[in-house]
Amino acid sequence: RKEVEQDPGPFNVPEGATVAFNCTYSNSASQSFFWYRQDCRKEPKLLMSVYSSGNEDGRFTAQLNRASQYISLLIRDSKLSDSATYLCAVNRVNAGKSTFGDGTTLTVKP
Amino acid sequence: EPEVTQTPSHQVTQMGQEVILRCVPISNHLYFYWYRQILGQKVEFLVSFYNNEISEKSEIFDDQFSVERPDGSNFTLKIRSTKLEDSAMYFCASSDVRGGANEQFFGPGTRLTVL
Repeated sequence: RKEVEQDPGPFNVPEGATVAFNCTYSNSASQSFFWYRQDCRKEPKLLMSVYSSGNEDGRFTAQLNRASQYISLLIRDSKLSDSATYLCAVNRVNAGKSTFGDGTTLTVKP
Repeated sequence: EPEVTQTPSHQVTQMGQEVILRCVPISNHLYFYWYRQILGQKVEFLVSFYNNEISEKSEIFDDQFSVERPDGSNFTLKIRSTKLEDSAMYFCASSDVRGGANEQFFGPGTRLTVL
């Protein structure tokens, strides 16, 4: 089983739609969680950290469910500029690395 | 806004040649990382570095790879004898804390093409 698994996608949605991505992790020692956005042939850019209490940044909401070992990202009122690949990343306690999922590609269409 | 920089943006080399990829992490960060991403695949961890030594490495990071912080600002990845399968984007990242909530910030990457 992969350490981090994401919805396979791709997701194709119209502008204004709400879309949600899920990511599961297998290692219960995982401590911190992140969503990155990656545009084609560019570097991952940190979108948001994911906290136990959930967190929101404008149209983006991230949730963490430790009991079920998954994190989610909700994008409301999607824009054309949201089209990208969304990566979840998981860090273990005292680990010097992030483990990434395969990514979920989102295309927002007019 | 401070950012991680990498040079060159694209490196083309012949199989068997040595390459050095360079990174300048964010200036007050103490933890440095190299990741690679083969075209169409996931971002894979290679190595992390702190206090002038490797703190963790993956199985990909074999004897052909080495890292160095030759001065106070640069962080390099050397591949001694490149193979075709080393062709990938190589991303450097840095963070100011380790483990825990270490938000890692990535450089723009070096695209390595091995012919």
